[in-house]
Formats: sequence, structure tokens, C-alpha cells
Amino acid sequence: SQQGEEDPQALSIQEGENATMNCSYKTSINNLQWYRQNSGRGLVHLILIRSNEREKHSGRLRVTLDTSKKSSSLLITASRAADTASYFCATANYGGATNKLIFGTGTLLAVQP
Amino acid sequence: DVKVTQSSRYLVKRTGEKVFLECVQDMDHENMFWYRQDPGLGLRLIYFSYDVKMKEKGDIPEGYSVSREKKERFSLILESASTNQTSMYLCASSYLGQGSGQPQHFGDGTRLSIL
Repeated sequence: SQQGEEDPQALSIQEGENATMNCSYKTSINNLQWYRQNSGRGLVHLILIRSNEREKHSGRLRVTLDTSKKSSSLLITASRAADTASYFCATANYGGATNKLIFGTGTLLAVQP
Repeated sequence: DVKVTQSSRYLVKRTGEKVFLECVQDMDHENMFWYRQDPGLGLRLIYFSYDVKMKEKGDIPEGYSVSREKKERFSLILESASTNQTSMYLCASSYLGQGSGQPQHFGDGTRLSIL
């Protein structure tokens, strides 16, 4: 069952520009996480935002969470060619006890040098 | 750093074969997960385990089984491989932690082709 849906499905920008990806989900959550996947590799955890947080920063990453709209956004500032990857949001449902995450379908980001 | 190691990056098997995919983690994580990833469908959970010898079905368990005899190792078994099981398989692990939704650490995946 898909919980998170990313938007857009694909994004192409020039190096130095900012990239914004959005994620919508359906049920109450405990936290929302963003992951990155380089082509042919596994996913790498980027950042976690809890349901009682509205914004979080990590280096060039900024994540926002709006629980009233059941949505989150990931902003990558001053993008680099090395940021080219797929980005996934994942939600941990409220009250879940098994640490299961539900992943969205991902946004493919291409940063042109 | 956490390391999750999957035994093969690429694997080619024939229809009807019994296929074993192995995953080992070195961080004493309680939870381990098996996903398959297909274009346009994202990651779908096949099975997960929160302790040795414990397992729970995910969203798409049909045609698969798992084994967790030791804490660090989680195996995915395709009982009788079929062509629709051609996919990228990803293993992940995480701490049990307090509250749900601990970050997961992934292996590099096994690209499995069933001919």
C-alpha cells in the first residue's frame, strides 16, 4: 500500500538552482523521512522530521512538514551535479510498533552541469 | 558506519528454481526488511523481521518466504522463481528504538533476472 506520493515524478534543473520535491501522505504519522538513491544503489537516509516538528535543516537540505495538509517538502539549495539521484519520502504510521516504513514512488532529480 | 551487505549485486536464475538472497548487517539491529523495487511502483515491502526467528508479512509476500536464524542475517527465498519476480531486491535494517519509524539502512541491492 502506497502512503507517500512524490511530486513531481521527474525534475531537471541547472547546477546552482534550488530543487523542491513534495510528498503527500494519507494517514496520521509518527515521523516522515527522506531518502536518496543513486542509480543502481541502495537508499541512503537523509533526514527525519517528527510529526510535532514543522521544519528541519541539514546542510543544504530543508524539510518542511504540514500535518494538517498531510504533506512534506524537501528543498535542496545550490544543487550540484552530484545531487542527481532519486529521492523518496517514507512515513512511519502513528501508533505503529514495528518500525515499518511506507515509501513513495520517488522523484527523479537530474542536475545539469 | 552501518553496513548492510547483500550477497550478490546481479543474479540470473531460471523459472522454477529455488532462489536464495542473503543479507547481513553488522550493527546489531533488531529489525530487518526485504523490499522489491520496480519502475513506477517504488519500494514494496515483502517481509520483515523484528527478532531472531520472528517474521511478519509485508504487502506482497506471495511467492516468497524468509529465514532469520541469526540476528545479523536475513534471507529471502523465492520458492519457485517466476518471470514476474524479476526485479531489484533491497535489504534494510534498523534499530527497534522507542516509538515507530527508526531510519533504515540499506544494502546496495540485488538485481535478479528470472529467465
